[in-house]
Amino acid sequence: QKEVEQNSGPLSVPEGAIASLNCTYSDRVSQSFFWYRQYSGKSPELIMSIYSNGDKEDGRFTAQLNKASQYVSLLIRDSQPSDSATYLCAVSDYKLSFGAGTTVTVRA
Amino acid sequence: DADVTQTPRNRITKTGKRIMLECSQTKGHDRMYWYRQDPGLGLQLIYYSFDVKDINKGEISDGYSVSRQAQAKFSLSLESAIPNQTALYFCATSHRDNEQFFGPGTRLTVL
Repeated sequence: QKEVEQNSGPLSVPEGAIASLNCTYSDRVSQSFFWYRQYSGKSPELIMSIYSNGDKEDGRFTAQLNKASQYVSLLIRDSQPSDSATYLCAVSDYKLSFGAGTTVTVRA
Repeated sequence: DADVTQTPRNRITKTGKRIMLECSQTKGHDRMYWYRQDPGLGLQLIYYSFDVKDINKGEISDGYSVSRQAQAKFSLSLESAIPNQTALYFCATSHRDNEQFFGPGTRLTVL
């Protein structure tokens, strides 16, 4: 059973700051890594996917992957109140395993 | 237009009743999944299907069954609902890259 651990929240950041989310996984054969955003009562929405070591940037989001350390992170730059949500880390070999999520609150 | 649809969106039922949740997709994906989510917890995989003839159990399949009627349709059944099956249920679809796209969810309450 693959384990996916996320840093415990909730995480509160001021508007305009950087929110840093971390995720570790137990299975070395995992090949694909994803970050989902989930607003309360809504379905998860894919915001980032990363497959190789290093950084991947998409707008204000940057995903970082280090397979040797079994670690993946998400940075949210210039945080906005609309970024307030729960962020789910997901790790895949042939199916996804999800972490429990980290709730982020961006305070104005 | 929604790419992944789920019906019903909300359902209240009683212990012992049979319930079916339905999922349809227009994304053309081969792979479909059913998850449940309990408050404050992550997503737990119930069943998944990589094509019409391929059905696999996930982490928490006990008490559930599925049917893949077509590439675009994947239904989840609770044969005899119990209160601890009260949860939010999501259907998802993907290609082989495993980027999964979720439906809007079904909120199920078992009294």
